[in-house]
Amino acid sequence: GAGVSQTPSNKVTEKGKYVELRCDPISGHTALYWYRQSLGQGPEFLIYFQGTGAADDSGLPNDRFFAVRPEGSVSTLKIQRTERGDSAVYLCASSLIPQSTDTQYFGPGTRLTVL
Amino acid sequence: AQKVTQAQTEISVVEKEDVTLDCVYETRDTTYYLFWYKQPPSGELVFLIRRNSFDEQNEISGRYSWNFQKSTSSFNFTITASQVVDSAVYFCALRTYEGAQKLVFGQGTRLTINP
Repeated sequence: GAGVSQTPSNKVTEKGKYVELRCDPISGHTALYWYRQSLGQGPEFLIYFQGTGAADDSGLPNDRFFAVRPEGSVSTLKIQRTERGDSAVYLCASSLIPQSTDTQYFGPGTRLTVL
Repeated sequence: AQKVTQAQTEISVVEKEDVTLDCVYETRDTTYYLFWYKQPPSGELVFLIRRNSFDEQNEISGRYSWNFQKSTSSFNFTITASQVVDSAVYFCALRTYEGAQKLVFGQGTRLTINP
């Protein structure tokens, strides 16, 4: 079946602009996760959704970052007033159930470049 | 707190050589899960294996094998008879009950297999 998909694959924006990154999880997966991967680093957790609600947003770096999942499927990560330090690959993952035993499957990521 | 350390930043070997990627983790939880992911140049994280803290049995899957030792808090990954297609960045990750749903990743090891 289809894996996790993310759009766009690349996004270039100017400092101060607003961006939205989209994630479409594997069909039937109830849990959805966002991670951020800076160059040469491992992914870092941002936020996780169980269904429509954000169950843990402890990884969001500040209030410029926000994510939604209104119907419990597709999620959008929103970044306001982008800064050059926001440049990274944003990865989305989903799992069938939100338990620590479950495996998270990742999408190809969105590479965000803030000029 | 949870932490994963992959001390080898880069490894380069000649095809057909065996290579071991090291992973050391830290957690106070008694229940936890360890993962290895492969990130090829395309960028997508590919799940390789999950191991829970109660199962120290080593695992072999084709040319891949994993050695889990709780006594040294290590979960090492060996590729036997390496191939050029094995070239990628490999990440070790930890997930704990206390840490909720997030994966904590190591910095990754860039593996290059030369023909």
